[in-house]
Amino acid sequence: QQQVKQSPQSLIVQKGGISIINCAYENTAFDYFPWYQQFPGKGPALLIAIRPDVSEKKEGRFTISFNKSAKQFSLHIMDSQPGDSATYFCAASKPETSGSRLTFGEGTQLTVNP
Amino acid sequence: KAGVTQTPRYLIKTRGQQVTLSCSPISGHRSVSWYQQTPGQGLQFLFEYFSETQRNKGNFPGRFSGRQFSNSRSEMNVSTLELGDSALYLCASSFVLAGGYNEQFFGPGTRLTVL
Repeated sequence: QQQVKQSPQSLIVQKGGISIINCAYENTAFDYFPWYQQFPGKGPALLIAIRPDVSEKKEGRFTISFNKSAKQFSLHIMDSQPGDSATYFCAASKPETSGSRLTFGEGTQLTVNP
Repeated sequence: KAGVTQTPRYLIKTRGQQVTLSCSPISGHRSVSWYQQTPGQGLQFLFEYFSETQRNKGNFPGRFSGRQFSNSRSEMNVSTLELGDSALYLCASSFVLAGGYNEQFFGPGTRLTVL
C-alpha cells in the first residue's frame, strides 16, 4: 500500500522559474516530512524537512508548505537553476520511538532548462 | 565528519549466489537503515538496526537479512539471488534530533546486478 503519493512524475521548468512538487499522505501517525534530492549515481541527500506543527519552512530557495488537515505537503524551488535538475523524493516517518523507517513517494524528475 | 560509506560500490553476481554489502554510518549515529531502490518500485525500506538489534523490518522475503556490530557498522546479506534483486542498495544512518525525530543521511549505495 502506497502511503505517500507524489506528483508530478516529471517536471520541466525554465531557468528562473518556480518548481512545485506535491505529496499526499494517508497515515496520520506520520510526524516528520523530509525532502531528498538525488543526482544520478548518488544516494539521496536531505534537502529540507518539516514537522506538522508548522505550516511552512524556508531554507534559501527551497520552501516546504504543509497542510495538516488535507494531509498534503509540497516543495517549492524558487529561481530554479539547471543545477537543480535531479530527482526529488518526498518522505514521511513516524515518531522516533517507532524507529527510523522512511516511507517515500514515487519521485519527481526535475529538469531545469537554461 | 565523514559521511555514510558503503562497500563495494558495484557488484555483479549470478542467480543463486549470495552477497554481503557493508555500511559504515556517520560517527556517533547508532541507527542504520537499509533501502532498496529500483526504477519500478522506487525506494523501499528493508530493515533498520539500532544498538545491534533489528528495530524495524520491511516487507521483503527472508532471503534478505542484516546485522549490526558493536561499532554500529552494518552488513546486509541477500541469499539465493534472483534477477529481480538487481537494484541500488542504500544505507542510511540517523541521529535523533532535539524534538525526538530522526534525521537520516544516505550513503552512495551499492549497485547490485544479478545476471
